[in-house]
Amino acid sequence: GAVVSQHPSWVICKSGTSVKIECRSLDFQATTMFWYRQFPKQSLMLMATSNEGSKATYEQGVEKDKFLINHASLTLSTLTVTSAHPEDSSFYICSAAYGPSTDTQYFGPGTRLTVL
Amino acid sequence: AQSVTQPDIHITVSEGASLELRCNYSYGATPYLFWYVQSPGQGLQLLLKYFSGDTLVQGIKGFEAEFKRSQSSFNLRKPSVHWSDAAEYFCAVVPPDNNDMRFGAGTRLTVKP
Repeated sequence: GAVVSQHPSWVICKSGTSVKIECRSLDFQATTMFWYRQFPKQSLMLMATSNEGSKATYEQGVEKDKFLINHASLTLSTLTVTSAHPEDSSFYICSAAYGPSTDTQYFGPGTRLTVL
Repeated sequence: AQSVTQPDIHITVSEGASLELRCNYSYGATPYLFWYVQSPGQGLQLLLKYFSGDTLVQGIKGFEAEFKRSQSSFNLRKPSVHWSDAAEYFCAVVPPDNNDMRFGAGTRLTVKP
């Protein structure tokens, strides 16, 4: 149980275009979803936390107008990288938690974004 | 400052040898503690976690970790490493006063034949 999927698994786009990444909890309802960014050979950095039906909470230094997060249902959150640039190229990983406590998160397989 | 530290960036061990990966944390109260493994280009898989109770925690794939409050440590161990254990290992914490998971820098494990 507790499976989280991401789509697409990898994407290549041109600079200036927008890219949407989906994160789905397949067998549970996720009250909270998290988005992380991971640069090559580095650790995961939390970008934002989203609760279903409310606005996402962004970490300091993360541009909310550039990284749009929508958590419209208990099983789906989306991250849209708007006007992507090469420096946005990274590995984006989502996770989901259910219930009143979010201390245990279930991670998706990640999405590799390359901006040309 | 609050932090989670993995002192070893890269460790190489021979197949069959024992393994210990270090993790230290700096928080006012004991956070929830986790170890994850990440294979190249993949997401994270939870190996084990500690919330309270028995300080020696058993996980999947033959891993265990010991919580030592006096040392603010949560080191990961395996008695005999297999070649398939080669991966990146992350220690993570969730502070008791919020839900944000913070990761250590990671330790890359290489297994020699």
